[in-house]
Amino acid sequence: GIQVEQSPPDLILQEGANSTLRCNFSDSVNNLQWFHQNPWGQLINLFYIPSGTKQNGRLSATTVATERYSLLYISSSQTTDSGVYFCAVGLNYGGSQGNLIFGKGTKLSVKP
Amino acid sequence: DAGITQSPRYKITETGRQVTLMCHQTWSHSYMFWYRQDLGHGLRLIYYSAAADITDKGEVPDGYVVSRSKTENFPLTLESATRSQTSVYFCASSISGTSGGSTDTQYFGPGTRLTVL
Repeated sequence: GIQVEQSPPDLILQEGANSTLRCNFSDSVNNLQWFHQNPWGQLINLFYIPSGTKQNGRLSATTVATERYSLLYISSSQTTDSGVYFCAVGLNYGGSQGNLIFGKGTKLSVKP
Repeated sequence: DAGITQSPRYKITETGRQVTLMCHQTWSHSYMFWYRQDLGHGLRLIYYSAAADITDKGEVPDGYVVSRSKTENFPLTLESATRSQTSVYFCASSISGTSGGSTDTQYFGPGTRLTVL
């Protein structure tokens, strides 16, 4: 099945720093989503981005589908950005309709 | 706007007991999903449903049963709980699952932490 690898697994930043999180996937996908799991466990959808670039405030994401990777950029990080960031991909065919396969996540800690 | 809710939020049970975790969404989303989250494994799909009365297995369905008689509800039942089913369970929903567009975006409930003794 499709493999999803995220890097780095852990990241510690000082408040105000920028960071780039990477997601590599092993097969063509037509569904890619980024999620943030906050320290209380809630999963929040950040982006639906199977291709192209999107921005939402200090966060932006780019997916290069032909090269099978996606990047999540966090600028001017804040302590509230701490948590785990997950990349999830999906395949729209056969028995996999709507399913997402999650990477293991990047744990981000932003220090004040 | 309640969104997607799960109950109970915390549950402790014993090996061999039947447990049902509830998921309710107020958006009339067609697709609903159950995931479990475990250290070292991340999130894995248990079952999903494309519409009322349509369900299908995900990556780790053994030991679980689902039903979807109404669009808004998607209960997950552990027929005979085992210690390996100790986990955090998340329910999610999306407008669609195969549009190839943003309506495939999944929204997650708050999770249920289940402990099987």
